[in-house]
Formats: sequence, C-alpha cells, structure tokens
Amino acid sequence: QSVLTQPPSASGTPGQRVTISCSGSRSNIGSEYVYWYQQFPGTAPKMIIYRSDQRPLGVPDRFSGSKSGTSASLAISGLRSEDEADYYCTTWDASLGAWVFGGGTKLTVL
Amino acid sequence: EVQLVESGGGLVQPGGSLRLSCVTSGFTFSNFDIHWVRQAPGKGLEWVSGIGSAGDAYYAASVQGRFTISRENAKNTLYLQMSSLRVGDTAVYYCSYGSTTSFAFDIWGLGTMVTVSS
Repeated sequence: QSVLTQPPSASGTPGQRVTISCSGSRSNIGSEYVYWYQQFPGTAPKMIIYRSDQRPLGVPDRFSGSKSGTSASLAISGLRSEDEADYYCTTWDASLGAWVFGGGTKLTVL
Repeated sequence: EVQLVESGGGLVQPGGSLRLSCVTSGFTFSNFDIHWVRQAPGKGLEWVSGIGSAGDAYYAASVQGRFTISRENAKNTLYLQMSSLRVGDTAVYYCSYGSTTSFAFDIWGLGTMVTVSS
C-alpha cells in the first residue's frame, strides 16, 4: 500500500491529452514539492517534472505538472506512442521522515 | 560525464547479508545527498535509504534496523549493508541523487539485482 495513490493504468489515443493523478496528505504533497518520473521497461527512471510544475531541460513541453492541496497531476498533451511508459510521483513525507513514491501508472497509447 | 555504477547484487538466502556499492564519478560526491531506491520485479519504485553530505542517514520503515547506508567520500562511493534479508527485499537496487537543490532524484545508475531466495 503506497503512501501516494496513483491510478494503476491510464490510456489515450495519439494526439489526446491524458492526466495522471497522485493523491497524498498534508504531511507529503500538502507541504512538499512533487516530482514525476517516466520509466521504460528495463531502464532507470527519468525525471520529467520537478518542484511540482517545472520541466527539466530536454523534456518536451507536452508534459506538465500541477499541484493543488494534497493532490498533484501530470498532464501529457499531444499524446505520442513513445509516451507509453510507467509514470511515478514522489515527494518527501515530513511525518515519516522518508521519501515516498506512488504505486505507478502504466500509460498505454491506443 | 556523471556516472553511478552499482555492484554487489546477487543471490542470497533469507536471513543472509549483502553489501551493495555505488561508485560515482563526474561530480563532487561529497557535496551531495545520495540515495538507494529499489524496484521489485514487476512492481513500483520504493525509496530505501538516503545519506546526507554530512553523513546523516535516514531509512524507510521497511528496512530500518536491517540496512545501513554509508559513504566513503575519498572513494566517491556509496554503500548499502543489508542484513536479515527477506524474500520481500528482492529487487533491483538503484543509487540516485539530485544534481541540484531543486531536483530530487535526477541521476540514476543502472541498478544491481538482489535476489533473496532459498
């Protein structure tokens, strides 16, 4: 049972906009930045959003992050086949004194 | 070029011990917090432990008391001493760090596989 809750799966067709949610609590998302990672099978994760809504250099602007209260979201617009991957949110939990990850969302491009 | 190279994984029996290493290069290792993150086969990411530049260590509840993280700045190397291993500790273990204060885990190694089985 993950501290952060993500839907196990999401899907969309090419060109569509999809959103992946990440739900937490006041001790984590409610008071800390959220980070998002993209992971392809057999490879290490790649950071695609930092500090809740910032994109690292090289990440397409089709990816965007937001946070409101104790929830965060990753949006992918203009969906492409190469976006098919697993996506994870993470943040620091001040009560636990630990980093926590969401359970991950498998994105399928139909 | 920044590199993180994990090693030390393998097959170990339940109750056994193993020490993982992460040799780093391309950045000033002593200046950064650095972490271990694991991923069980077919499962999600789980933060395991982190150590600050000052040597302060912190752990996930699932490994507290069984795992010990340490660093050897002179060798640019991070360690994870794992004891009382359980089947549930089976995973790929990655070392990772944030290359700026704004980032969490943006640099990752390739990982090393730990299998706990009788």
